[in-house]
Amino acid sequence: SAVISQKPSRDICQRGTSLTIQCQVDSQVTMMFWYRQQPGQSLTLIATANQGSEATYESGFVIDKFPISRPNLTFSTLTVSNLSPEDSSIYLCSARGAGGTTDTQYFGPGTRLTVL
Amino acid sequence: DAKTTQPPSMDCAEGRAANLPCNHSTISGNEYVYWYRQIHSQGPQYIIHGLKNNETNEMASLIITEDRKSSTLILPHATLRDTAVYYCIVRVKGTGTASKLTFGTGTRLQVTL
Repeated sequence: SAVISQKPSRDICQRGTSLTIQCQVDSQVTMMFWYRQQPGQSLTLIATANQGSEATYESGFVIDKFPISRPNLTFSTLTVSNLSPEDSSIYLCSARGAGGTTDTQYFGPGTRLTVL
Repeated sequence: DAKTTQPPSMDCAEGRAANLPCNHSTISGNEYVYWYRQIHSQGPQYIIHGLKNNETNEMASLIITEDRKSSTLILPHATLRDTAVYYCIVRVKGTGTASKLTFGTGTRLQVTL
């Protein structure tokens, strides 16, 4: 299995600012993902974080709003830019392929963002 | 596109078996059935997955019908800590587009005394 940690666990931000969320996995993984969970809703995939290349975004999500980095096989960041109250959500990091063999996907505890 | 159908909510008495159904009538031959749960304010937790054979682990059992169009997750002795939203997801293994983990609305299981 893979243990995933996220920082910060929660934050309150002002409109127009940005927040960068860090995701650290305790082992090398093949794939990393970022999800958003709006209040009372299910999880929605934002993008796949690709190591050494640009992230692959899902429909409705763009790089200018959600820039993503993945410098190595255990770490990724998600920035939520130009914040508005509609960005208030839980953002979750996820990873798959720990140990190079397992296909099971694991999730971090999430970052709860409130935008005022 | 919704690939699975689950009841929105279910109740279960503590100590009894919780049987959570999932319909996936359009499942493809290479798609696996995965179950996750999300306890309030936590990230989703992997429970179990299977292709066509029944599977069991320390958390639960997964029963997949012979035609693979539906499945049931069984928590043999539910406790209050099993109260959560349970998600049934179908996906292929690998790294392609079809391997993405796409969440539906899930079943909210309430375990009561």
